Amino acid sequence: DGGITQSPKYLFRKEGQNVTLSCEQNLNHDAMYWYRQDPGQGLRLIYYSQIVNDFQKGDIAEGYSVSREKKESFPLTVTSAQKNPTAFYLCASSMQGIGELFFGEGSRLTVL
Amino acid sequence: GESVGLHLPTLSVQEGDNSIINCAYSNSASDYFIWYKQESGKGPQFIIDIRSNMDKRQGQRVTVLLNKTVKHLSLQIAATQPGDSAVYFCAETPAGQNFVFGPGTRLSVLP
Repeated sequence: DGGITQSPKYLFRKEGQNVTLSCEQNLNHDAMYWYRQDPGQGLRLIYYSQIVNDFQKGDIAEGYSVSREKKESFPLTVTSAQKNPTAFYLCASSMQGIGELFFGEGSRLTVL
Repeated sequence: GESVGLHLPTLSVQEGDNSIINCAYSNSASDYFIWYKQESGKGPQFIIDIRSNMDKRQGQRVTVLLNKTVKHLSLQIAATQPGDSAVYFCAETPAGQNFVFGPGTRLSVLP
């Protein structure tokens, strides 16, 4: 079945450590996105990529980094520079950056 | 489960009743709108969408209404079932721009 796979589902990190969240899609979508979800707030855009080897900052990019070396993959690294990294992270994709977003099941990051 | 939407507005409805969930959007240039359903600990699922050249669209047990004059979107769920319990949120986008998401409403279906 086509879809978006995020891993790991749960991740614990010590302060000062970088962690990388994986996002893979087999929908042949051009555009991929990373969102952060906090209680009581709408999804906030971290980074997005419309094409391989190119990506743009979203509204809250500070403390995060991404890469897009393959069409299918868009990993997100939460660096030690992110001041409040505990959150639920959602990866999404869309066809050519238009139309509905398809979401993965999310990754819950907790900083200890 | 995940602590998504701890302080969200909550709508409680009796099983079998109709539910109406509302969303006020911000950008008068938005021309595409989506309703998503998110169950605890899971990713959002597409429910229904509507473009700004329409004011109503129906799906299976769901209807979306768009009032561009007051920038208001609503989702109606007919004959609400226990499986409809979730957080529902709207998303808007002007052409060529990224989506903006509302905080959501938690729907609780009472037996």
